[in-house]
Amino acid sequence: NAGVTQTPKFQVLKTGQSMTLQCAQDMNHEYMSWYRQDPGMGLRLIHYSVGAGITDQGEVPNGYNVSRSTTEDFPLRLLSAAPSQTSVYFCASRENTYEQYFGPGTRLTVT
Amino acid sequence: GENVEQHPSTLSVQEGDSAVIKCTYSDSASNYFPWYKQELGKRPQLIIDIRSNVGEKKDQRIAVTLNKTAKHFSLHITETQPEDSAVYFCAARSNDYKLSFGAGTTVTVRA
Repeated sequence: NAGVTQTPKFQVLKTGQSMTLQCAQDMNHEYMSWYRQDPGMGLRLIHYSVGAGITDQGEVPNGYNVSRSTTEDFPLRLLSAAPSQTSVYFCASRENTYEQYFGPGTRLTVT
Repeated sequence: GENVEQHPSTLSVQEGDSAVIKCTYSDSASNYFPWYKQELGKRPQLIIDIRSNVGEKKDQRIAVTLNKTAKHFSLHITETQPEDSAVYFCAARSNDYKLSFGAGTTVTVRA
């Protein structure tokens, strides 16, 4: 199993541009999440999904959209990038048990 | 929602000494408390977890304790080694399936 994969690893955007961060998992996990990590602030939940077709907002959802059309994929869309969205983004998944698995992360810089 | 506070933010220990990190949580319904280790540039990885029906759990040099009454839990690392240097995050999960993270503790083990 590849586990949780994310693309791209690095991305630089200009203010106002849009893009999609990709996340996929091959463990047939129902539950998937997106977090952003900023220095001194831990990991903050952006959006999450408890299954295909079901998504909900986390702690910091503004400026981000998600969709979950399949169990495997959970893309995160930045509609109009802002410098405040410069961060490291982690996707994670878990089955209906406890352990959560993280992807390798995407480092995003918005100039 | 759940609020997790983590202390200290930085911790420097001599190799061979013990390290203790403490976290408090706000939601008495939280029932799962994982600890993640994150090395520089890497993804967070689960090192130990504890459920609300258990007071203590050990795995080799790592132990976690949980006090439900006081709503706090702690990570104990004994006989620290240079490879223990990393950022450690505590987290708590409440009934809404969301995992809330502390801000992290940067542990440095001095040789």
